[in-house]
Amino acid sequence: EVQLVESGGGIVQPGGSLRLSCAASGFTFSSYWMHWVRQAPGKGLVWVSRINTAGTSTSHADSVKGRFTISRDNAKNTLYLQMNSLRAEDTAVYYCARAGRFLDYWGQGILVTVSS
Amino acid sequence: QSALTQPASVSGSPGQSITISCTGTSSDVGGYNYVSWYQQHPGKAPKLMIYDVSNRPSGVSNRFSGSKSGNTASLTISGLQAEDEADYYCSSYTSISTVFGGGTKLTVL
Repeated sequence: EVQLVESGGGIVQPGGSLRLSCAASGFTFSSYWMHWVRQAPGKGLVWVSRINTAGTSTSHADSVKGRFTISRDNAKNTLYLQMNSLRAEDTAVYYCARAGRFLDYWGQGILVTVSS
Repeated sequence: QSALTQPASVSGSPGQSITISCTGTSSDVGGYNYVSWYQQHPGKAPKLMIYDVSNRPSGVSNRFSGSKSGNTASLTISGLQAEDEADYYCSSYTSISTVFGGGTKLTVL
């Protein structure tokens, strides 16, 4: 059974940093691209970042470019999202998802709250 | 990376059919046959319903179907059921990013 479990969320002050993790199991992690998608309270889904199988190619939404970094450790079957210079508008539930051209499995999501 | 355009809400009675549109540009929806659709119930993670414009994953009801014409993709749900009431999001893959629509709230009357 495919499982994706996010961790590392919480409350952080504006300007602070947080690293999210996504532990994958039930499939060959190193064979799949992975994504991060976020959803602000009461709002829609917004794509954040994606990474290729080897971790050598990444892409980020303009809204997080230069502040967020997606990475992966295929030996640990884990996806990461390093979030720096956090802003109030980054407050959201963050989902990791397995993907190629479409996101077929999603984690349950982790809440990140940016507030003083 | 502009969001794809979806109607904010649609509604229908049980047994009826509804269609949700998703309009992008030639750089996303129109340029690739990589449109997908997701269903999200309140407090739950999104669920893949349609991929590559018109393909259904295993386990998804054949009441759900997808299509595309030019820069607009569509999701049709036939034989509406109460459990179909949810938010629906379209998405398009491109070579440099992935983009979602703003979401459509489906109400089953």
